[in-house]
Amino acid sequence: DVKVTQSSRYLVKRTGEKVFLECVQDMDHENMFWYRQDPGLGLRLIYFSYDVKMKEKGDIPEGYSVSREKKERFSLILESASTNQTSMYLCASNSGGGGNEQFFGPGTRLTVL
Amino acid sequence: GQNIDQPTEMTATEGAIVQINCTYQTSGFNGLFWYQQHAGEAPTFLSYNVLDGLEEKGRFSSFLSRSKGYSYLLLKELQMKDSASYLCAVGVNTGFQKLVFGTGTRLLVSP
Repeated sequence: DVKVTQSSRYLVKRTGEKVFLECVQDMDHENMFWYRQDPGLGLRLIYFSYDVKMKEKGDIPEGYSVSREKKERFSLILESASTNQTSMYLCASNSGGGGNEQFFGPGTRLTVL
Repeated sequence: GQNIDQPTEMTATEGAIVQINCTYQTSGFNGLFWYQQHAGEAPTFLSYNVLDGLEEKGRFSSFLSRSKGYSYLLLKELQMKDSASYLCAVGVNTGFQKLVFGTGTRLLVSP
């Protein structure tokens, strides 16, 4: 059974803290994605990686960075968390090719106080 | 820019049929996906259309008209467990392949 896992389901951090969200997939997928999901705004792409150490900015990369040191692992980093980064964060992966479905992790609900 | 529209909420009765529409305006179109998302859970893949026409998969069907920028998801013989959000997502090629999501349609199925 294919699986995308995320390090935490719920996380509470304080403004200014550095936050790491981890995502691991066991499907040997080339592509990995980080989204945030907010009511009324849908899923928005933060960053994308198509290979180890390779990354592309998505639609809302400001305030975020990413790291992909191993094929199966993709990390999202909030360098200095702010209250407007309170959101649901979803990781996804797929194999190369435009028609391939993305498999999503369960999400991390991050609250920044 | 990219723009995807779908209704915010729909209600239907168990056993009925419901059609969820999605219209889009995008550049670099590379297929349309539908995902189902139950509250508090991850989105799960339902269907993919890249050519015009209807794709049927059990109780769920999805239709695409590229010339009209229009898709719908048809759910038949509704069950209570179909209460969920349904996300329309357009695949676009902007140098790399990505998905642009609509805001989702929340479907409430009542007995």
